Amino acid sequence: EAGVAQSPRYKIIEKRQSVAFWCNPISGHATLYWYQQILGQGPKLLIQFQNNGVVDDSQLPKDRFSAERLKGVDSTLKIQPAKLEDSAVYLCASSRAGLSSYEQYFGPGTRLTVT
Amino acid sequence: AQSVTQLGSHVSVSEGALVLLRCNYSSSVPPYLFWYVQYPNQGLQLLLKYTSAATLVKGINGFEAEFKKSETSFHLTKPSAHMSDAAEYFCAVSEGQGAQKLVFGQGTRLTINP
Repeated sequence: EAGVAQSPRYKIIEKRQSVAFWCNPISGHATLYWYQQILGQGPKLLIQFQNNGVVDDSQLPKDRFSAERLKGVDSTLKIQPAKLEDSAVYLCASSRAGLSSYEQYFGPGTRLTVT
Repeated sequence: AQSVTQLGSHVSVSEGALVLLRCNYSSSVPPYLFWYVQYPNQGLQLLLKYTSAATLVKGINGFEAEFKKSETSFHLTKPSAHMSDAAEYFCAVSEGQGAQKLVFGQGTRLTINP
């Protein structure tokens, strides 16, 4: 079974530029998550999708961050415009739907550096 | 809201020694608790999980953790450290059912001395 795929793995941009990250979850996983992991901290949930609907985006800075999951499979996370404090690793995870799902499977992450 | 505190951002042990990584949680409901490991430049991998069954949970790579409700703790242990155990370890609590809406601790970096 293929794992969660993310691209690109690394990205360097200047502040005020825009950037997009892509995630392909494990086949059949209805739930998809985007996390932000700042250096030295644990991952923080940005947004959770169930199929193509948003379940929780309470911690997503909506003035600059946006995410979509068309057709309930792949997802993209966009930042526009980027700030220095957005430098972090962006992790995508997926899980099966339902209350019996006890594991989130994580991708390798995209390391973003904003200069 | 649920929260997790990991005591010690950096733990160093000798190869063959006991590994003990501490995690305390705060939860208003019976929690689901998790330990994840992160190797450099990789995503997180589940080590073990507590889902209200047995309080002593065994995971991969020889790790285990014990859920202690009275102490609100879920410490991770391994009897004998191996060089390959060097990594970042994260404790997490679920705010929802199952593995939904994980809240992570700040992590503990484990270093193994030869």
